[in-house]
Amino acid sequence: GAVVSQHPSRVICKSGTSVKIECRSLDFQATTMFWYRQFPKQSLMLMATSNEGSKATYEQGVEKDKFLINHASLTLSTLTVTSAHPEDSSFYICSAPQWDRDTNEQFFGPGTRLTVL
Amino acid sequence: GDSVTQMEGPVTLSEEAFLTINCTYTATGYPSLFWYVQYPGEGLQLLLKATKADDKGSNKGFEATYRKETTSFHLEKGSVQVSDSAVYFCALSPTFNKFYFGSGTKLNVKP
Repeated sequence: GAVVSQHPSRVICKSGTSVKIECRSLDFQATTMFWYRQFPKQSLMLMATSNEGSKATYEQGVEKDKFLINHASLTLSTLTVTSAHPEDSSFYICSAPQWDRDTNEQFFGPGTRLTVL
Repeated sequence: GDSVTQMEGPVTLSEEAFLTINCTYTATGYPSLFWYVQYPGEGLQLLLKATKADDKGSNKGFEATYRKETTSFHLEKGSVQVSDSAVYFCALSPTFNKFYFGSGTKLNVKP
């Protein structure tokens, strides 16, 4: 199947700094990518939809100025956590869909664990 | 709105035991249903899926049947192995893009 990568896999930063997480589709193009946040022992929460060539669409309750998303190309989306605080510590996962008329499948990245001190 | 409810874990089984992880959903339309598996330190991997009522998804000995009348998509495996230890997520997708996940069920299989 298709492969989605994320970088970095782990990052530790100080409170108040910004952190950028990259999501790449390695062997296919993705005009749309998705960013999720996973809290410990909880499910994935969709944060936003990243759209190539246009603004991201954020889910209700997600601060767009806090979580900046840029879909720079058909294979790259970035999530920047600005002015990070300890409550932003989480596991962030991206995904990219492949679909045709009959199928719809999401391919997930391995995740990035962010720890804010 | 659309949502998924799955049984809380952890579920602890001995090797070769029968596995059932319950999943029920709420949806206004006719969503596709999925089971994803997450191994420690890794991202989610698609385990199986079903796109319409009465479809049965299967993979690696796991099965789940899309039951519209009971709005369920329970995951089953006849004989689990230690290597099946992971967290399992039930999910639904009402449209091409939106996915709604259950809270995940951790499975521990002991030798």
